[in-house]
Amino acid sequence: GAGVSQSPSNKVTEKGKDVELRCDPISGHTALYWYRQRLGQGLEFLIYFQGNSAPDKSGLPSDRFSAERTGESVSTLTIQRTQQEDSAVYLCASSRDSGRTDTQYFGPGTRLTVL
Amino acid sequence: DQQVKQNSPSLSVQEGRISILNCDYTNSMFDYFLWYKKYPAEGPTFLISISSIKDKNEDGRFTVFLNKSAKHLSLHIVPSQPGDSAVYFCAASPSMDSNYQLIWGAGTKLIIKP
Repeated sequence: GAGVSQSPSNKVTEKGKDVELRCDPISGHTALYWYRQRLGQGLEFLIYFQGNSAPDKSGLPSDRFSAERTGESVSTLTIQRTQQEDSAVYLCASSRDSGRTDTQYFGPGTRLTVL
Repeated sequence: DQQVKQNSPSLSVQEGRISILNCDYTNSMFDYFLWYKKYPAEGPTFLISISSIKDKNEDGRFTVFLNKSAKHLSLHIVPSQPGDSAVYFCAASPSMDSNYQLIWGAGTKLIIKP
């Protein structure tokens, strides 16, 4: 069956530009997560959506970062006025629910390079 | 401050031998641990997990050991196969109720030599 998909797979942008990253979760998955992985580091939690509840934005590094999700479908992560330190792989994951044993299924990621 | 550490960036093992990947954590409140495997250009995929009420969990060729007193866990792969070549991430759950906000290690790249 279809897994989590993300687009674009690669994005090169100039410092100061805005970028929008897209995630299509697995159908029926109520929970959706965004992570960032910088070179040589572990995944950093950014934001979490669960159904129609208010998202947990506690991992967003600055107010330049925002994310939206419509119901239980597509999510977009927007980075405004990109900086070089935003360069990373941005990973999206979804799970059936957010319980401890609910496996997160990851997309292939979007590699963002800010010049 | 890294709460989950994988101190070996890479590990090379002969095919057929045992691969041992290590992970240390600092927060004694962590009580659920997961291993994910990642191939290039793909997202991580769940491999195996362990709750702190256990000290061992086995699934086929994969076994995870947890030593709570040492705040250490390890993943054993026996026998190692070429398809096991990947980056392995250790992650810990700080929450009793949910699996989000996992704390991740930086990963260990496992190379299986033929």
